[in-house]
Order: sequence, then structure tokens, then C-alpha cells
Amino acid sequence: ETGVTQTPRHLVMGMTNKKSLKCEQHLGHNAMYWYKQSAKKPLELMFVYSLEERVENNSVPSRFSPECPNSSHLFLHLHTLQPEDSALYLCASSQDLTGGRETQYFGPGTRLLVL
Amino acid sequence: KQEVTQIPAALSVPEGENLVLNCSFTDSAIYNLQWFRQDPGKGLTSLLLIQSSQREQTSGRLNASLDKSSGRSTLYIAASQPGDSATYLCAVRPDNYGQNFVFGPGTRLSVLP
Repeated sequence: ETGVTQTPRHLVMGMTNKKSLKCEQHLGHNAMYWYKQSAKKPLELMFVYSLEERVENNSVPSRFSPECPNSSHLFLHLHTLQPEDSALYLCASSQDLTGGRETQYFGPGTRLLVL
Repeated sequence: KQEVTQIPAALSVPEGENLVLNCSFTDSAIYNLQWFRQDPGKGLTSLLLIQSSQREQTSGRLNASLDKSSGRSTLYIAASQPGDSATYLCAVRPDNYGQNFVFGPGTRLSVLP
């Protein structure tokens, strides 16, 4: 049990669908992250939130829209995705962004397939 | 731009062997380096975190070293077990605040019973 949960674990969607990925952390952390892991690429950072404020958007297309309503929850809203967006989407949290307490704790991921 | 590479891409060893996984990064200006383990279809588990001022960290059968000036880190696994089979990822955090971890592609390890 990592303390970070993600739902759904698997998702199949068409290119015209709208869906959302959910992440919840039970660790009392202040920072949360979305990563994308494709089959043939290293893990890529997408978004970083600190205390519910987005502090980094790593050149992610606008068809991905993050939302952080509070420090325990993070969403990734998906719309008009492309087949190349199929990947494992991982959520992570850490105590803070700085100060050496930066071990990131990862959720199990959502396996997304875009048809 | 920071780039992280890992060698080998895949490794298969018999149970009981000691082994070394390698990680290289192009920019030595890092805040810290972290080794993770990822089991198939699952998230990442943090193994060891080394701050830029440190040379190594140990946890059980795992020992990670860091040579920042040469842009290298190694993960040493002693007396490997089948349960160690997983993909091992190295990640560096550049010391430019606002940039988070840059990950390597991973080394897929199989320990055969």
C-alpha cells in the first residue's frame, strides 16, 4: 500500500470521448505530480502542483487538463485524445518540492488506451 | 537539457549473484538522484535517494553511489533474489528550481531461480 491511489486502473476511450483520471494521496503531502509513461520513452513529467497551485506545465497539449481541488486530490481531465496518448499515467506525491524531503510516492497508474 | 541513460537496458542473472546497474546523466548540476523500482503494470517504489553532497546510500542489500562530477551513479544489489526482478529506474533532479525529476529509460532485471 503506497498511500497513493488512482482510479480507474484501466481505461479505453475513443478520440471524441471525455474522461477523467483521479488520484488521491493519504500521506498528508503538499505536492502532487502527473507523469506519462509510454512504451518506448522514459517517464515524462506532465504537471506539478504545490499546495493546490500548478507550478509546472511541462509543455503538455491542452487536451490534457489537470485540476487540484485540494492537497489530497488531483485529476487529469482528458478530451479529444489521440492514439499516441495511449500510455500508463502515473500520479505521485511528495512532502514538499524542496528541502530534501523529496522522495516521491507513486500510485499504481492508469493504463489508458485511445482508439 | 538534462538527459539520463541507463545501461544495460536488460539484464538476466542467476539467483545469488551480485550485480551493478549503471546510470549516467549529462548535466552534473543536480539537486539529488533517486533510484526506483517498478514492477510490471505498477507504479514506482522509491529505493534510495542521494543528495548531491552525498557519495552513497545503503538500504539492506542495496547500495547506491553517486559521482556527480562524472555524471554517474551505480546501484549495487547484493545476493540477488528472484523477488528483485523488476525494472529499475534512475531519476535526477536538476538544481534549477522548477524542474522536477528527469528519468532514465530503466534497466529490466530478471533474477532466475
